[in-house]
Amino acid sequence: DVKVTQSSRYLVKRTGEKVFLECVQDMDHENMFWYRQDPGLGLRLIYFSYDVKMKEKGDIPEGYSVSREKKERFSLILESASTNQTSMYLCASSFVGSGGAGLHFGNGTRLTVT
Amino acid sequence: QKEVEQNSGPLSVPEGAIASLNCTYSDRGSQSFFWYRQYSGKSPELIMSIYSNGDKEDGRFTAQLNKASQYVSLLIRDSQPSDSATYLCAVRERDGGSQGNLIFGKGTKLSVKP
Repeated sequence: DVKVTQSSRYLVKRTGEKVFLECVQDMDHENMFWYRQDPGLGLRLIYFSYDVKMKEKGDIPEGYSVSREKKERFSLILESASTNQTSMYLCASSFVGSGGAGLHFGNGTRLTVT
Repeated sequence: QKEVEQNSGPLSVPEGAIASLNCTYSDRGSQSFFWYRQYSGKSPELIMSIYSNGDKEDGRFTAQLNKASQYVSLLIRDSQPSDSATYLCAVRERDGGSQGNLIFGKGTKLSVKP
C-alpha cells in the first residue's frame, strides 16, 4: 500500500511565523502535490512537483513556496503565515503511467493561524 | 478555466437503495476520471478510476463515462450507512505541461439513512 505521511496532524501558529509542512511518500512516485481544502471551496492545488528540484505553481501559490530536494519528500513553506491560511493542507503523490493514475493522499495537516 | 461540476447535495438515500452521483466536466480532451470518497475529518481516498466510455464495475460501485456528453457518474448499489461521505469527482488535465494534475469538483455529500 502507498503511504503518504504528513509530519503533523494539527498545527497552531502565530501570524507572521514561518511554517514548514513536511510530506514523505514511500512508493517512488514522481509526482507530488500540495492542496488546501476549505469548506465550500473544495480542493485547491497550491504547488506540485514532477521531479526532484522541479516545481510548478498550482491555482493558489501566493504566500507559499515549496522544496523538493529528494524524490520522496515534498515540503510546503508558508513564508509569513496569515490568518487566511488557516486550512486543512493535504499532500498527495502519484506516478505517471499509461492512462494516468489517481492520487494517494496523506492524512492532512489542520493548520490554524492566530 | 477548466471546471468539474457536481451537485453539492446533500443526497439522502435509504439503506439498500441505489445512490447516483453525477459529475460534468468542461475539458473535452480529458482522458482520465476518478472518484474519491472522503469521510468527515479524513483525507480523500481513491475508490474508482475510469478511462473509457461505458461502465466499470467494482463490487457495489459502478462508474459510468460518456465523453461525448462530458459526463461521469458513480452508482452505489445496496447503499450502506458506512457509505455516508462526501464523494469527489476528479478529472485529469489533458497532457501538455501539467503532469498528472487533477481538477476536483467540490463534492457531493451522501447520507445513507438506516
